[in-house]
Amino acid sequence: DQQVKQNSPSLSVQEGRISILNCDYTNSMFDYFLWYKKYPAEGPTFLISISSIKDKNEDGRFTVFLNKSAKHLSLHIVPSQPGDSAVYFCAASSGRGGSSNTGKLIFGQGTTLQVKP
Amino acid sequence: EAGVVQSPRYKIIEKKQPVAFWCNPISGHNTLYWYRQNLGQGPELLIRYENEEAVDDSQLPKDRFSAERLKGVDSTLKIQPAELGDSAVYLCASSLDSLNTEAFFGQGTRLTVV
Repeated sequence: DQQVKQNSPSLSVQEGRISILNCDYTNSMFDYFLWYKKYPAEGPTFLISISSIKDKNEDGRFTVFLNKSAKHLSLHIVPSQPGDSAVYFCAASSGRGGSSNTGKLIFGQGTTLQVKP
Repeated sequence: EAGVVQSPRYKIIEKKQPVAFWCNPISGHNTLYWYRQNLGQGPELLIRYENEEAVDDSQLPKDRFSAERLKGVDSTLKIQPAELGDSAVYLCASSLDSLNTEAFFGQGTRLTVV
């Protein structure tokens, strides 16, 4: 059972335009969400996160939106740059900050973003 | 500051042979994770350590996989004997503690079992 899903395996956008990567989840106990970026032959690198008490978190060109009722989150990159070309993973965890925190990240399958010059 | 260091980067072995991976987490990080990433998939947790204690190993195939984290710092993950289906990238990650889920990953070990 895939608890975190990234239904688009790939996305191609033009440099300077907006990239929107989507992620859906099924477990209503998830309360913390993260995006990781991965270049070939490297490990995933933490990009941005959001707690379930918020619906938006922004860091420079990167913004994550959370829609709890739809169990959906998205990562917006604007403007997109060729260096953003990588695989992006959505991840979720439950009970963060509390005694029930599992510290376990559940990852989606990833979306390969290509930003064309 | 050094990141999470893993070795080897690549390993090719024949099926039924043993193999071991090593991980040195970021200094001061109490929580250490081993993940496995199959081709085209996201990483999946194998085991999580809080200091030297394995607190979540529910996803570790215990018939052939073992792990240890002596002294709560470095960790090794072993497979014996390896099977063809074990071919994957094995990622080690660490975080300050389990309350901080922003885990930092190493570059991974790409295992190919032939």
